[in-house]
Amino acid sequence: TQLLEQSPQFLSIQEGENLTVYCNSSSVFSSLQWYRQEPGEGPVLLVTVVTGGEVKKLKRLTFQFGDARKDSSLHITAAQPGDTGLYLCAGVQSYNTDKLIFGTGTRLQVFP
Amino acid sequence: GAGVSQSPSNKVTEKGKDVELRCDPISGHTALYWYRQRLGQGLEFLIYFQGNSAPDKSGLPSDRFSAERTGESVSTLTIQRTQQEDSAVYLCASSLSAAWSAGELFFGEGSRLTVL
Repeated sequence: TQLLEQSPQFLSIQEGENLTVYCNSSSVFSSLQWYRQEPGEGPVLLVTVVTGGEVKKLKRLTFQFGDARKDSSLHITAAQPGDTGLYLCAGVQSYNTDKLIFGTGTRLQVFP
Repeated sequence: GAGVSQSPSNKVTEKGKDVELRCDPISGHTALYWYRQRLGQGLEFLIYFQGNSAPDKSGLPSDRFSAERTGESVSTLTIQRTQQEDSAVYLCASSLSAAWSAGELFFGEGSRLTVL
């Protein structure tokens, strides 16, 4: 059973387009993170959200944590080829565990 | 360097052989994680350590998998009697603070295991 489902699984777009990636669960998470992974490398942290309803912006990337802390979204404005990669959400379900589980992943390809 | 180091970077083995994968975390990081990533997929949680203790081993796929950590530093993931379905990239990560407090995980580049 996958606790964190991401959609879409694959996304192929042209440079300049906007996109949104979703991370959904039926469980509540104490915090949620987004990572990006490029081929042959480990994932790298983009952002952490901890409060329900929280919105964080990182240049052209906007991250939102759902009010009920069960879901999150990543919106990219005016995508660039450098945004290409595997996007992963990850979360911790409670405050008495350090088990960080990852979502199913969204593979983004941005063409020039 | 100062990052997480994993070895070997690539390992090809025959079905039935045992393999050991090593992870050197960032110095001072108390938490250490192992994940498995099959081609093109997300990360599957295997085990994590706080210090030298492993509070949650629930992700280990079978009793052929084991892991240990010593000196609150190096960790070894051992796979006995390897099977073809064990082929994957095994990623190690370390963190300065607990995951529940939203600590950042720093990943190594992974060990790619191929079982023939």
